[in-house]
Amino acid sequence: NAGVTQTPKFRVLKTGQSMTLLCAQDMNHEYMYWYRQDPGMGLRLIHYSVGEGTTAKGEVPDGYNVSRLKKQNFLLGLESAAPSQTSVYFCASSYYLGLNPNQPQHFGDGTRLSIL
Amino acid sequence: GENVEQHPSTLSVQEGDSAVIKCTYSDSASNYFPWYKQELGKRPQLIIDIRSNVGEKKDQRIAVTLNKTAKHFSLHITETQPEDSAVYFCAATSITGNQFYFGTGTSLTVIP
Repeated sequence: NAGVTQTPKFRVLKTGQSMTLLCAQDMNHEYMYWYRQDPGMGLRLIHYSVGEGTTAKGEVPDGYNVSRLKKQNFLLGLESAAPSQTSVYFCASSYYLGLNPNQPQHFGDGTRLSIL
Repeated sequence: GENVEQHPSTLSVQEGDSAVIKCTYSDSASNYFPWYKQELGKRPQLIIDIRSNVGEKKDQRIAVTLNKTAKHFSLHITETQPEDSAVYFCAATSITGNQFYFGTGTSLTVIP
């Protein structure tokens, strides 16, 4: 199993450009998440999904959109990139087990995004 | 929403000593508390977790304690080794598991 795979690993954008980050998992997980990690601020949740076709806002959703058309994929879009979105982006996934829903998250290797 | 605070932000210990990292949370409904280790340039990886129906959990040199009344939980690493050097994150989530709230991280350095 590859686990959680993120593409691309690195990207440099100019202000105003758009791009999509792809997250794919092969563990048949129901839940998927997008985080951003900035120095001294830990991991902050951008958007998440509890199943195919569903998405929800996290702590810092502004400037981002997501889609989950297939259970194994979770896409994060930046419509008009801004320098404040320079960060390392991590995707994660986890099981949902009904009465015991809290299961550990499995993370991808991250995408380092710089916006000039 | 939940607020997780983590202390200290940096910690240096001599090899063989113990390290303790503490986190507090605000939402009494939180009931699952994982700890992640992140080496430089790598992904966060789960090292131990605890659920609210348990007060302590141990896995070899790593242990986590939970005080639900005081709403705090701690990571204990004994007999530290240089390979324990990393950033450690605590997190908390509610019973729905929809959102995880992370602490700001502790950079642990183990001095040989």
